[in-house]
Amino acid sequence: DAKTTQPPSMDCAEGRAANLPCNHSTISGNEYVYWYRQIHSQGPQYIIHGLKNNETNEMASLIITEDRKSSTLILPHATLRDTAVYYCIVSLDGGYQKVTFGTGTKLQVIP
Amino acid sequence: GAVVSQHPSRVICKSGTSVKIECRSLDFQATTMFWYRQFPKKSLMLMATSNEGSKATYEQGVEKDKFLINHASLTLSTLTVTSAHPEDSSFYICSAPAGVRGYTFGSGTRLTVV
Repeated sequence: DAKTTQPPSMDCAEGRAANLPCNHSTISGNEYVYWYRQIHSQGPQYIIHGLKNNETNEMASLIITEDRKSSTLILPHATLRDTAVYYCIVSLDGGYQKVTFGTGTKLQVIP
Repeated sequence: GAVVSQHPSRVICKSGTSVKIECRSLDFQATTMFWYRQFPKKSLMLMATSNEGSKATYEQGVEKDKFLINHASLTLSTLTVTSAHPEDSSFYICSAPAGVRGYTFGSGTRLTVV
């Protein structure tokens, strides 16, 4: 079973911030939170990851709660090209651990 | 860095034939490769894990004789769908460890069996 749960779908107005939540209440102390997104008929693409501190890069921000049981991916100014399925997963550093993907969140950015 | 090239991007084959999907790590050595299958509007489902030079480990319910995985070199892993049937039609994706980014994914292969 997947170690993460996400809402199946969300809408966001173009230009507004998109906040995508993820629950990972059984995360282990040395597991990272990774976010990927998948545009239709393509492979998932890396967005951001974190262990316990909040992280920001050119694509997004990641807010991880202090107890690490949940996180939120923030796309600060959503564009139509951000319409995709967003997956959060938890895994050990390096990517050698097999993971079970959850349902992901289908984000629809509305003009 | 850590790019995986997957080919073909789409393939149509006749029932009963076999199809090979290749995933190559272009700028790094992939000692491990994960193979996923994805049905329309569904999430990625892990099929198997391959390790260079050893037999692949299949997830429960995945037929190892139908989905042959070979990982003979540090830069190439292949998935062969043998004696394909229409129910094997799906989107297949490979993934490899990518260091700080966790995983890097191939672009996927759309298999249609007619």
